[in-house]
Formats: sequence, C-alpha cells, structure tokens
Amino acid sequence: VTLLEQNPRWRLVPRGQAVNLRCILKNSQYPWMSWYQQDLQKQLQWLFTLRSPGDKEVKSLPGADYLATRVTDTELRLQVANMSQGRTLYCTCSAERAGANTGQLYFGEGSKLTVL
Amino acid sequence: TQTVSQSDAHVTVFEGDSVELRCNYSYGGSIYLSWYIQHHGHGLQFLLKYYSGNPVVQGVNGFEAEFSKSDSSFHLRKASVHWSDSAVYFCAVSAPSSGQKLVFGQGTILKVYL
Repeated sequence: VTLLEQNPRWRLVPRGQAVNLRCILKNSQYPWMSWYQQDLQKQLQWLFTLRSPGDKEVKSLPGADYLATRVTDTELRLQVANMSQGRTLYCTCSAERAGANTGQLYFGEGSKLTVL
Repeated sequence: TQTVSQSDAHVTVFEGDSVELRCNYSYGGSIYLSWYIQHHGHGLQFLLKYYSGNPVVQGVNGFEAEFSKSDSSFHLRKASVHWSDSAVYFCAVSAPSSGQKLVFGQGTILKVYL
C-alpha cells in the first residue's frame, strides 16, 4: 500500500531556476511528514518535519536553498532553489507523536532533480 | 550529536551465502537504531529497529540485526541471500526526542550474484 505520492518523479532544472515539489499523504494515520535529501553520493540528510497546515520553514544547505510548506493535513510542498548539483528529495511520513521517534519512517518514491 | 558509520561501501556475495552488513554508531544517550533498504530508483523501505530488550531483532524477508552496546554496533545479517536482496542498505540512528530526524550512515551496496 502506497502511503505517499510524490510529483514530479523527475525534473530537469535549468541552472538558477526554482522547482516546486509536492507530496500527498494517502493515510491520515501517519501525519508527521518530513523531507529528506539524498545527494549524488547517496548520502541522506533530514531537512524538515512539518506537522500542521500553515507550518513553513526555510533552510540553506550546500548546493540548494529550500522552502517547505505544510499546505493541508495531506499535502506537503517543497520549493528548491539555487540548486548547483543534482539530488533526490524524499517525502516521509510516520505515526509518532511529537517527541516520540521510534525510527520507523515510510518513504515516498522520490523526486529526482537534475541540473541542466 | 549522533553519528553512524557503515565501514563497507560494497559487499559482494553469491546467492545462498550468508551476509553481514556492519554499522557502528556514536551517541551518549538512548537511541533508536534501524535499518532500511533502497532498491535502485526507489525510496527507502524500513527493515527493522531496536530500542531496548532482546538485542537480536527480526525484520522482514529473513533479515535480523544484533545490538551491541559494548561495541556500539548494530550489524545486519541474513543467513541465505537471494539475488533480489541486491540493493543499498542504510543504518540509521535517532534520539527519542529528535522528532522525525534520522541520521543515516553512508550506505552499503550489496550485490548478490547468481
């Protein structure tokens, strides 16, 4: 059973252009949604966790700037800007309450971004 | 700060062989330890986790892992691998208070030959 739907799955991004990613939660029993990035060397890094509609966060990392938004209880978005190297962004969800992290996440299929 | 180290970047075995993928961590407090599998072109899938109790935990598809506090390790094992087990395996640690943030190791690419 697929818990998360990510789109687009692939995108060619002209250098300097921003891209918007979307993640849809299919089961409301897993409301804690997060974004992780995976670089070209396959290293994974947590970016954000947003629980409530209206939550927003920004972060700048080597190679990209991020803006994450929890739009609704079932939709999470990520804007990626100033990307200098390709990467894959994964949406995750889990059932844990705030502060209770058992380490079990469910991952989407990812959005693979390539810089032109 | 939690850190995770997977010392083997690549492991190659034949179908039917046993395999052990190594994971060492450093952290001073209580942590959750978990393993994930990533097939090419897909997201990660949870295999198993440990927090307390029996140090040997069973996961899906015949995988198990053993926690060792003295060695700061959480190695993953399978007694008899199948070619479909070829994938990248990630060890992860998380503190109970860190929300949904997992810290992942570098990953181990497992190749199973027929």
